[in-house]
Amino acid sequence: EAQVTQNPRYLITVTGKKLTVTCSQNMNHEYMSWYRQDPGLGLRQIYYSMNVEVTDKGDVPEGYKVSRKEKRNFPLILESPSPNQTSLYFCASSRRVAGGIGSEQYFGPGTRLTVT
Amino acid sequence: LAKTTQPISMDSYEGQEVNITCSHNNIATNDYITWYQQFPSQGPRFIIQGYKTKVTNEVASLFIPADRKSSTLSLPRVSLSDTAVYYCLVVTDFSGGYNKLIFGAGTRLAVHP
Repeated sequence: EAQVTQNPRYLITVTGKKLTVTCSQNMNHEYMSWYRQDPGLGLRQIYYSMNVEVTDKGDVPEGYKVSRKEKRNFPLILESPSPNQTSLYFCASSRRVAGGIGSEQYFGPGTRLTVT
Repeated sequence: LAKTTQPISMDSYEGQEVNITCSHNNIATNDYITWYQQFPSQGPRFIIQGYKTKVTNEVASLFIPADRKSSTLSLPRVSLSDTAVYYCLVVTDFSGGYNKLIFGAGTRLAVHP
């Protein structure tokens, strides 16, 4: 089954304790990205990657790191989490289409993170 | 990037057709109109995408007039399971072959028995 998986689905942690949220897709997609969703602010892009070893900042990258060492995986790293990073996080992937036309993004099930 | 405006919420009843209109007055020539659906605590799901006129798939229809300044998502005969937030996005065809998605507040559709 074509899918994007994220782990963990739920995480409660304390301020300053490094954590990693994993994301994996089995569709051989080139493009992957991370979003966070907060009430009243909608979905905002954190980082994206157009291919292996190619990453770039989205709209809200502060406090986050990513890496893309393999095509299928795109982990999100919080080196020193803070309470304002409490949010619902989504990973997404899509294939690279010539001209970008018709490309749809597939989202993972989400990771609910609470930082106390 | 073109800004979109859509109703905050809508109510409907099972079996009815629902039309959600989105305005995007500043849409550019190489922009596409895309709709996503999101259930509570789940990731958004692509529904339909179009450039002009009418597009139909097994889930919905998308109507886009000639001036492309608005679009209408049509859901035929909704059921309770169609209760969700629907996002209208104008997707810019960036070079490099990917589309940047900018989500607004969406339309919260509630379907009642």
